Amino acid sequence: EPEVTQTPSHQVTQMGQEVILRCVPISNHLYFYWYRQILGQKVEFLVSFYNNEISEKSEIFDDQFSVERPDGSNFTLKIRSTKLEDSAMYFCASSEGTGGDGNTIYFGEGSWLTVV
Amino acid sequence: GEDVEQSLFLSVREGDSSVINCTYTDSSSTYLYWYKQEPGAGLQLLTYIFSNMDMKQDQRLTVLLNKKDKHLSLRIADTQTGDSAIYFCAEMDSGGYQKVTFGTGTKLQVIP
Repeated sequence: EPEVTQTPSHQVTQMGQEVILRCVPISNHLYFYWYRQILGQKVEFLVSFYNNEISEKSEIFDDQFSVERPDGSNFTLKIRSTKLEDSAMYFCASSEGTGGDGNTIYFGEGSWLTVV
Repeated sequence: GEDVEQSLFLSVREGDSSVINCTYTDSSSTYLYWYKQEPGAGLQLLTYIFSNMDMKQDQRLTVLLNKKDKHLSLRIADTQTGDSAIYFCAEMDSGGYQKVTFGTGTKLQVIP
């Protein structure tokens, strides 16, 4: 079964460093997302991406964050200057977006980011 | 904004049925989902229901939707120890870009 894949599975970074989290969405999907989950808390929406641009973003997704689809398969989340409170599990997700079963959103296994 | 609430914890004996409840506030929700998260793992889609349906059954899983009360439930028949996990209810709004709002998650503990 097709799946969303994410790398790295775990990254430790120093405060102030830049981090890039990578995702390969399911190949025929058109909508891409990043969510995050701080340990023990809710899964929170960060950003959605469609047709090569951001379609919606949350208050969390400030100027420190950016997303990019550098080629036909990858979707990346960049955190420019990491803070301690950015430590979380970051989930990439994708969906066909065609209505009906196509609105099913599939999540990757997550990238666990630890900022020290 | 949208809000999705769940009870935090449920404990059941192996072989019994589990019922996990969820309430949401967005009356224009289009799809409602149940995801399972095992410790340290990702979000596994279990099942989903369209907002114009009342019930959906998928093997041991039964989803009931009461749209009037904005209440969603997930019933797991013959609960097994492997079902121990956190279960998240989530709803997709009708905003057009398919953003999903998650509930707080219910930790299901299955006692052998």
